[in-house]
Amino acid sequence: DTGVSQNPRHKITKRGQNVTFRCDPISEHNRLYWYRQTLGQGPEFLTYFQNEAQLEKSRLLSDRFSAERPKGSFSTLEIQRTEQGDSAMYLCASSLYLPGSHSNQPQHFGDGTRLSIL
Amino acid sequence: AQSVTQPDIHITVSEGASLELRCNYSYGATPYLFWYVQSPGQGLQLLLKYFSGDTLVQGIKGFEAEFKRSQSSFNLRKPSVHWSDAAEYFCAVGYGGATNKLIFGTGTLLAVQP
Repeated sequence: DTGVSQNPRHKITKRGQNVTFRCDPISEHNRLYWYRQTLGQGPEFLTYFQNEAQLEKSRLLSDRFSAERPKGSFSTLEIQRTEQGDSAMYLCASSLYLPGSHSNQPQHFGDGTRLSIL
Repeated sequence: AQSVTQPDIHITVSEGASLELRCNYSYGATPYLFWYVQSPGQGLQLLLKYFSGDTLVQGIKGFEAEFKRSQSSFNLRKPSVHWSDAAEYFCAVGYGGATNKLIFGTGTLLAVQP
């Protein structure tokens, strides 16, 4: 168990640029989640996948945001035309969903990608 | 609407003193409840979880939490705090299950005095 890995750890970019973050989940985990955390707040749910299928998207995920998990392993989160308000920590988590169970496996988090918009 | 409230934004305790962090939730069904801890610049580490059964759950690092359905609470406790416990603590509820989205409280920042 190598844990959830996120890259890069820090990203500084100018307003209007596009950015892409990567998340590698724990290898046997079939669910992958993205959350956003701003200063002084708890994480807020953005979206999650089961294998390659995106099962839910938050209203927080505007049209400028897109997440993919093409082969059901790693995931990418892209933000187009970044804005000041996108500055935050972007957290990825993964868990194991077992069909027919009560889905009681906890989510394990990575260390996040901190995005700063100049 | 489902929500999690952590009424204490910032708590300071002396090393060796006991600790209780409060968490109240609003959720219509049986909740899946969690406490996570976050050190500066790091991700979240799971301290403990409650799904069902015994309402007093034990976690890592000597933490425990008690689920009280009548009070919609899931308070975190530790009998003797260590300086290394200084961090931010988040309570969360699993929306429809532990592997669905989590709803987090705003966190409680714990400072430990020597």
